[in-house]
Amino acid sequence: QVQLQESGPGLVKPSETLSLTCAVSGGSISGYYWNWIRQPPGKGLEWIGYMYYSGSTNYNPSLKSRVTISMDTSKNQFSLRLSSVTAADTAVYYCARSTNIVVRGFDPWGQGTLVTVSS
Amino acid sequence: QSVLTQPPSVSGAPGQRVTISCTGSSSNIGAGYDVHWYQQLPGTAPKLLIYGNSNRPSGVPDRFSGSKSGTSASLAISGLQAEDEADYYCQSYDSSLSASYVFGTGTKVTV
Repeated sequence: QVQLQESGPGLVKPSETLSLTCAVSGGSISGYYWNWIRQPPGKGLEWIGYMYYSGSTNYNPSLKSRVTISMDTSKNQFSLRLSSVTAADTAVYYCARSTNIVVRGFDPWGQGTLVTVSS
Repeated sequence: QSVLTQPPSVSGAPGQRVTISCTGSSSNIGAGYDVHWYQQLPGTAPKLLIYGNSNRPSGVPDRFSGSKSGTSASLAISGLQAEDEADYYCQSYDSSLSASYVFGTGTKVTV
């Protein structure tokens, strides 16, 4: 079955850009929506955005000006870039797949990676 | 601040039945968008528990059931077990000016 694994720096300085990658194994990127979702420590979940395998994207309006999601189909992975980070961006970042978010939700999820924004 | 509201906590004894509500509005649940539920065990990633209001993915016990009516949805756990102690989140789509996929505020279930 498909598995997702996030990777990237665990510490990012304020005002810099957060960059994470999600490696997809056990299945193809084709035909799915590939999402990033985050969870601040002790708080709830927030959808960041997705890239469809065709290349189209959709971002949370509250983060849209700072978010870029890209994909490398040759490596079966997709990435998140979040610019101008502040302490409020400290969170566990998850990647997740969806066949159709509206009717099927997010499944499966990666294990998550904690990113701390601090100088 | 989430547009889907859940009770912060619910509790029950082993074997009992508990329900978790997810209250939305006319721009999300009330607009007909499906509700999905996730279980997050301590220190782990969320796992899809219910999709499309009432459907269980393969491997999810039938002790878990979901329903939707009007602007709200509910998750029921019957025959509560110690391993059900976790955080539960509802999720849907909101078509307001800030259209987005949204999660509920989360509910801690204590057994």
